[in-house]
Amino acid sequence: ILNVEQSPQSLHVQEGDSTNFTCSFPSSNFYALHWYRWETAKSPEALFVMTLNGDEKKKGRISATLNTKEGYSYLYIKGSQPEDSATYLCAPQGGAGSYQLTFGKGTKLSVIP
Amino acid sequence: EAGVTQSPTHLIKTRGQQATLRCSPISGHTSVYWYQQALGLGLQFLLWYDEGEERNRGNFPPRFSGRQFPNYSSELNVNALELEDSALYLCASSPGDRNTEAFFGQGTRLTVV
Repeated sequence: ILNVEQSPQSLHVQEGDSTNFTCSFPSSNFYALHWYRWETAKSPEALFVMTLNGDEKKKGRISATLNTKEGYSYLYIKGSQPEDSATYLCAPQGGAGSYQLTFGKGTKLSVIP
Repeated sequence: EAGVTQSPTHLIKTRGQQATLRCSPISGHTSVYWYQQALGLGLQFLLWYDEGEERNRGNFPPRFSGRQFPNYSSELNVNALELEDSALYLCASSPGDRNTEAFFGQGTRLTVV
């Protein structure tokens, strides 16, 4: 069972601000790291899948980095918009035969117009 | 192309009854995952099915069970329902490759009274 920590638990930012969150996970037995965005009343939506140490992925104003040696990933949102309001979940994938994702509790982002 | 579909959307049962939740994966996906989100908790992994076989299960009692059919759809059965089984149950599907993203349905809200 992987211990996944996400911080902060929640945050409020003003529209236009940039922000970032952290995901910490055990560095041993690592295979991949997934980020999801979960808007209220919708399904979790995949943002990124990263596997290599030093990986950086970008989708529009959202980007993520991965450090597998120390067991953390950062998610960045540049110029936050109200539509970015959601819970952002990270989920490492690890261990032999473990295709399932182990989710953190998420960071709930509220962007104030 | 249809996404992951789950039924029913909402389900109300009394303590001690059995509940059956259904999931239809995206066409071509062979893996189905079940997750539980109870109040105040993150997504907890329940079960993983691939090619009709149970591949892994999370830390849940045996009264949580399921199966995957030849068309890759899946059922989650919860026997002897307890009040704490009240939760959102999410199903996700993936092509079966290890580091590909999983696509989620919108979930079944189970309420045990």
